[in-house]
Amino acid sequence: NAGVTQTPKFQVLKTGQSMTLQCAQDMNHNSMYWYRQDPGMGLRLIYYSASEGTTDKGEVPNGYNVSRLNKREFSLRLESAAPSQTSVYFCASSFQTGRSSNEQFFGPGTRLTVL
Amino acid sequence: KQEVTQIPAALSVPEGENLVLNCSFTDSAIYNLQWFRQDPGKGLTSLLLIQSSQREQTSGRLNASLDKSSGRSTLYIAASQPGDSATYLCAVHYGQNFVFGPGTRLSVLP
Repeated sequence: NAGVTQTPKFQVLKTGQSMTLQCAQDMNHNSMYWYRQDPGMGLRLIYYSASEGTTDKGEVPNGYNVSRLNKREFSLRLESAAPSQTSVYFCASSFQTGRSSNEQFFGPGTRLTVL
Repeated sequence: KQEVTQIPAALSVPEGENLVLNCSFTDSAIYNLQWFRQDPGKGLTSLLLIQSSQREQTSGRLNASLDKSSGRSTLYIAASQPGDSATYLCAVHYGQNFVFGPGTRLSVLP
């Protein structure tokens, strides 16, 4: 099993450009998450999808959109990139969320630089 | 506001020592708490998950405890090895949100 995979691994954008970060999991998990990790700020939740067909905002959703394409795939889109979105982006998944939530498993991350 | 802190920020120990990493959280209404390790430039690897109803979890040389009433969790690492060198993060699950601590950077010297 590959676990959680993310593409691309690295990306450089110019201000105003758009891009989509892809995430897929092969563990038959219901819940998926997008985080960003910044020095001094730790990991912060951007969006999550508790189950296929649902998405909800996390702590820092502004400037991002997400799509839960199917049970396996959860994408994160930057419509008009800004330098403040320079960060490392992590996708994660768990069997379920809520009171009986399970372990979260993380992908290797995407390092995004916006010039 | 739900906040998670970790002490110390960095720790350097000689190989073979037992050590304790601390995680504190301000809101005790947690669903669960998870400990991770992160190697430089890599993703997060899950170490242990403690449900809110549990007091501790063990995996090999790792033992994590949870005291909801005091808002604390500790990660105990026995007989530390150079391969344990990494940043250790705790994450608290609150319903619709997951709050991560800033991490403890551990160096185990040969």
